[in-house]
Amino acid sequence: DTEVTQTPKHLVMGMTNKKSLKCEQHMGHRAMYWYKQKAKKPPELMFVYSYEKLSINESVPSRFSPECPNSSLLNLHLHALQPEDSALYLCASSHRRGTGANEQFFGPGTRLTVL
Amino acid sequence: EDQVTQSPEALRLQEGESSSLNCSYTVSGLRGLFWYRQDPGKGPEFLFTLYSAGEEKEKERLKATLTKKESFLHITAPKPEDSATYLCAARFQGAQKLVFGQGTRLTINP
Repeated sequence: DTEVTQTPKHLVMGMTNKKSLKCEQHMGHRAMYWYKQKAKKPPELMFVYSYEKLSINESVPSRFSPECPNSSLLNLHLHALQPEDSALYLCASSHRRGTGANEQFFGPGTRLTVL
Repeated sequence: EDQVTQSPEALRLQEGESSSLNCSYTVSGLRGLFWYRQDPGKGPEFLFTLYSAGEEKEKERLKATLTKKESFLHITAPKPEDSATYLCAARFQGAQKLVFGQGTRLTINP
């Protein structure tokens, strides 16, 4: 099973709201990722968790706060977002960080609209 | 700086018209070259991993090949359902993250 699930599928929020995106995988992968994707652009890495520890933060604004409660779950907490943060947010997982080719498997994404 | 470049940016084909998509990369310790398919509004779907020059992998109408400086995704007798954006990504030695190309938007007309 190579499935990564994400909820919700769509989210509309105001600039003063607090919301969370959720991601889950049951492939036993120990690395999980958050990406942001704008229309007609490739995914842009935001965060990497390896063995439940944050290993990469690509200088993401603090209004995005990641959390990895356990090896299967990844959350992205959102607060005081801007309209330009509207995008498709993708979660991915892979077997091990930095070992071999390490292909990543993506979830279906959450379409976020900030009003 | 490690880079991945895809061409063409967009490609329109007639159903059954075979073609190839290109992905070139800077030669600096490639650890893996990945191909993904992405439909509008959905997450990328993993297709292939290639590790070393000369390697080939196939899946239905798709065949991916790798040389020392580029990869090709060959599409044989495509169907309209093959229409999608195809993303190429690479992992380089010493780096933790993938470097993505800009993608090729493929349209197959019936």
